[in-house]
Amino acid sequence: GAVVSQHPSRVICKSGTSVKIECRSLDFQATTMFWYRQFPKQSLMLMATSNEGSKATYEQGVEKDKFLINHASLTLSTLTVTSAHPEDSSFYICSAIEQSYGYTFGSGTRLTVV
Amino acid sequence: AQSVAQPEDQVNVAEGNPLTVKCTYSVSGNPYLFWYVQYPNRGLQFLLKYITGDNLVKGSYGFEAEFNKSQTSFHLKKPSALVSDSALYFCAVRDGGGYSTLTFGKGTMLLVSP
Repeated sequence: GAVVSQHPSRVICKSGTSVKIECRSLDFQATTMFWYRQFPKQSLMLMATSNEGSKATYEQGVEKDKFLINHASLTLSTLTVTSAHPEDSSFYICSAIEQSYGYTFGSGTRLTVV
Repeated sequence: AQSVAQPEDQVNVAEGNPLTVKCTYSVSGNPYLFWYVQYPNRGLQFLLKYITGDNLVKGSYGFEAEFNKSQTSFHLKKPSALVSDSALYFCAVRDGGGYSTLTFGKGTMLLVSP
């Protein structure tokens, strides 16, 4: 139990376009999900906390208008990278809290902006 | 504020030898401590956690960790390393006293040689 599915696993997009990443809790309801960004050989940096039915809470320095988060249901949170640029290329990981299993992570999305 | 330090960027060990990956933490309340492993281009996999109780915690794949309150440490150990243990290991902490997010260390690359 406590599986988080993240899609897509890899995406390549052109500079200036937008990309949507989905994070789904498959067998539990997640009122709170987290979005992280990971640079090569570095740790995970929390970008924002996604709350079902309300606005996301962004960490300091994260552009709200660049990284749009929507948590419209108890099983789905989405991260949209708007007007993507090469510096947005990174590995994005979502996470959710399940009552029994604790923090569960998606498999990540490798975004490459060309 | 909470923080995690993983002092080693990389740990090298020969297969069959014991391994230790170090982690120290700082948190204002009671620490909830976690170890995760990450394989290339994948999300994080849970290894073990300490919430309360016995200071020696046993986890997945033969790993264990010892919580040492006086030294504020939570080192990851395994009696006999496998080549397949080679991966990136993250220590994480959260304050158990209330709602807080996970804070990750920078990660330690473990390389097990045949």
